Amino acid sequence: AQKITQTQPGMFVQEKEAVTLDCTYDTSDPSYGLFWYKQPSSGEMIFLIYQGSYDQQNATEGRYSLNFQKARKSANLVISASQLGDSAMYFCAMREPAYSGAGSYQLTFGKGTKLSVIP
Amino acid sequence: GAVVSQHPSRVICKSGTSVKIECRSLDFQATTMFWYRQFPKQSLMLMATSNEGSKATYEQGVEKDKFLINHASLTLSTLTVTSAHPEDSSFYICSARDGTSGHTDTQYFGPGTRLTVL
Repeated sequence: AQKITQTQPGMFVQEKEAVTLDCTYDTSDPSYGLFWYKQPSSGEMIFLIYQGSYDQQNATEGRYSLNFQKARKSANLVISASQLGDSAMYFCAMREPAYSGAGSYQLTFGKGTKLSVIP
Repeated sequence: GAVVSQHPSRVICKSGTSVKIECRSLDFQATTMFWYRQFPKQSLMLMATSNEGSKATYEQGVEKDKFLINHASLTLSTLTVTSAHPEDSSFYICSARDGTSGHTDTQYFGPGTRLTVL
């Protein structure tokens, strides 16, 4: 089963409007972290926002906010006042402790959502 | 935020040659670095976890003899693709774990290396 599910392969949003990118996750570990990264066409992965499983409040970073619904196991990214430069791939990722001896702090990525901002 | 560099950004080589990719954390010490591979229009797949001063831990299905990883210092990890073949053509991205970033324990990514094997 997929650990991170992003159901929207592509999304369009009008410039200056808000957009929500969906992410659901699957884990039985009570301690985990959720990340969102942006990948523009240049390829670099840019860290946007983090939400810890024990954090009481939803994370916010400038125009980015994370709608964390723990019971539903969802961690949707909300981008407010979209800009043309927001056009990129967006990846949701989860960090869990790894028990295989492969080392902790591994990230598991979803398949991504391609966001296109329309002028 | 923390900066991770990768070199080269793009490499084209002939089949059978070896290619070395460097990953450096520029303004923090990274006890753990990760190497990912990304095919076009796909997500990142973890190849291996590299801890400074010890052997890398490879994910299932990744050939350790083909993808040699060395993490000699707290700021440098290298990935060598040995005897590269066209099917090794991909986008290789490293990340470095900033253990001082508190509970977020964020991974910062390099800009990636696009490898094309002819």
